[in-house]
Amino acid sequence: EIVLTQSPATLSLSPGERATLSCRASQSVGSYLAWYQQKPGQAPRLLISGASNRATGIPARFSGSGSGTDFTLTISSLEPEDFAVYYCQQRSNWAFGGGTKVEIK
Amino acid sequence: EVQLVESGGGLVQPGGSLRLSCAASGFTFSPFTMSWVRQAPGKGLEWVSYIGSGGTDIKYADSVKGRFTISRDNAKNSLFLQMNSLRDEDTAVYYCAREVAGYFFDYWGQGTLVTVSS
Repeated sequence: EIVLTQSPATLSLSPGERATLSCRASQSVGSYLAWYQQKPGQAPRLLISGASNRATGIPARFSGSGSGTDFTLTISSLEPEDFAVYYCQQRSNWAFGGGTKVEIK
Repeated sequence: EVQLVESGGGLVQPGGSLRLSCAASGFTFSPFTMSWVRQAPGKGLEWVSYIGSGGTDIKYADSVKGRFTISRDNAKNSLFLQMNSLRDEDTAVYYCAREVAGYFFDYWGQGTLVTVSS
């Protein structure tokens, strides 16, 4: 069973700053990794699939990179609406990581 | 516009049963694989169950295997989750989600809350 570990658990940043979120897999998942954003009281929203492909309508400030076991979601300049919880997810058993909360500093 | 609308959640006692439904619209339902994903209060996302487009390829998380049954009715554009022998730890918001490329979910419903409590 492949386990995804996200770090840090919480990221405290100010609007305009760069956010770097990590997702590490216990075994290689190739490029079969997705990222989601979830705001309180809302369903998750797909941001990235295939490790680096932005979903329809996702702003260019969101980018994904990595392959194998180490992946990164980068938000180049945080907008107020970007403060949320972010999850990674892989194909093997549809498992999700534990999430990273991006909060306002 | 793609829409997934869950229903059927509510309060149920431990050991009880509940049947969730997910009504799909705005896209051709039958070719798509679907899943249920849940989220316990204040916790992360947990995949629960998957069903292939034809309804025969089915998978479950170990935590619900033997207790939950996923099904679909392509003629009625609907997905279901029959939940039996419910436990306190099944308390969660349950989302139906459309799957793409064998693993990721491009559309999600708004969720339905299931509370298991005496």
